Amino acid sequence: QKEVEQNSGPLSVPEGAIASLNCTYSDRGSQSFFWYRQYSGKSPELIMFIYSNGDKEDGRFTAQLNKASQYVSLLIRDSQPSDSATYLCASPDQGGKLIFGQGTELSVKP
Amino acid sequence: EAGVTQSPTHLIKTRGQQATLRCSPISGHTSVYWYQQALGLGLQFLLWYDEGEERNRGNFPPRFSGRQFPNYSSELNVNALELEDSALYLCASSQGQNNSPLHFGNGTRLTVT
Repeated sequence: QKEVEQNSGPLSVPEGAIASLNCTYSDRGSQSFFWYRQYSGKSPELIMFIYSNGDKEDGRFTAQLNKASQYVSLLIRDSQPSDSATYLCASPDQGGKLIFGQGTELSVKP
Repeated sequence: EAGVTQSPTHLIKTRGQQATLRCSPISGHTSVYWYQQALGLGLQFLLWYDEGEERNRGNFPPRFSGRQFPNYSSELNVNALELEDSALYLCASSQGQNNSPLHFGNGTRLTVT
């Protein structure tokens, strides 16, 4: 059974700092990874996806993938209180569904 | 472009009743997924439909069922409701290709009393 693991947190950072969210996965053959943001009581929102080794940047967000170490991360620069949410890492399995990590709760303090 | 739409937003049922939840995917998306998220817990995969066929189901009892219509919209039915079925039910759609991201609707909050 493919697994995606995240530190549940909570991770607390001051406003303006860099938040670093991490994810490890068990299936060495995994090809793609997705980061979702979920506010309390709301549905997950796709914020980043990455398919190849290295970094991918989109605005204040950078996704990093290291397939050799089976490690995915999401960096949020200039963190804002509005970034406070649970961040979910996910990867597709062979059955077509997304396997989600348990999520990391991020709190950005003003 | 309209996103994934789900109805109803909230649904209150009593134990033993049946619930029907509906989902319309993003235009052009052929795959529909259903997930359950109980309060404070992670997303649990329920069902995957593509081109009208059930492609995969998660570890849920048979009283959780569904279907996908020719227009790619979908319905989730939960029979013989139990208190522990109370959760946020999320529908997502994708283009049906490998590695396509899922886009979620706003969910249906089901409460069983």
